[in-house]
Amino acid sequence: QKEVEQNSGPLSVPEGAIASLNCTYSDRGSQSFFWYRQYSGKSPELIMSIYSNGDKEDGRFTAQLNKASQYVSLLIRDSQPSDSATYLCAVFPIQGAQKLVFGQGTRLTINP
Amino acid sequence: NAGVTQTPKFRILKIGQSMTLQCAQDMNHNYMYWYRQDPGMGLKLIYYSVGAGITDKGEVPNGYNVSRSTTEDFPLRLELAAPSQTSVYFCASSYGQGGYGSYEQYFGPGTRLTVT
Repeated sequence: QKEVEQNSGPLSVPEGAIASLNCTYSDRGSQSFFWYRQYSGKSPELIMSIYSNGDKEDGRFTAQLNKASQYVSLLIRDSQPSDSATYLCAVFPIQGAQKLVFGQGTRLTINP
Repeated sequence: NAGVTQTPKFRILKIGQSMTLQCAQDMNHNYMYWYRQDPGMGLKLIYYSVGAGITDKGEVPNGYNVSRSTTEDFPLRLELAAPSQTSVYFCASSYGQGGYGSYEQYFGPGTRLTVT
C-alpha cells in the first residue's frame, strides 16, 4: 500500500462547479497535511495546510481532514479554467525521517 | 525575500559529463530537499538535509551527491551523467523546527536537465 494515495485522474469539471480532490494516507499518526498546486512546466505551490480534523477554508478552497478515516480532501468552489493543474497531496508522517510524503497527484481540468 | 532559487534553469549534458545544480534559500530554513520529477510522474526525493553538515538519502540517491556547508545553500552534484537522469529537478526548503507550519515546503522554480 502506498503511503499517500490519490486518484491520478484526469478529473474533468465544468466551469463554475465544485471540484473535489481526495487523498488517503497510511500513517495513522500523521499530524500535518498539505495541498500543492502544480501548473504544467512549473514548480509545486503550497495552497493549503491543515492540521486538525474538520474543514479549513481559504477563499474558494476548502481543505477537509478526517484523521479517523485517514483521508484529506480539497474542494474548489466556483471552479475556473485557471484552476486546471495537477494537485499534489502531501503528508508529514509522525514516524520516520523528517520529510513530506507526496501523492502522485490528481490532474484537474476545468472546462469552460 | 527571493525564497528558493535554483540555477541553471536549463542544461543539456553529454553522457559522462558532470555538473552541479545550485540551490539557495534566504528564509533561514533548516531543512532542504532535492526532488526529481520525470514527465507525467510524481516527485521523487533524491537527498535531503536537516541542517548544515547533515545530509541523508531519499528514495533515488544513486548517481547524485550533496553537501550542506551553510544553512542557505544545498548543491546537488551529478557525476557521470546518464540519459536516465534526464528530468526536472526541484529544490525545496522548510523551517523544520517543530510546531505547526514548520514542515510546509517551498519549492524553487526547477532545473530542466537533458542528458544526451
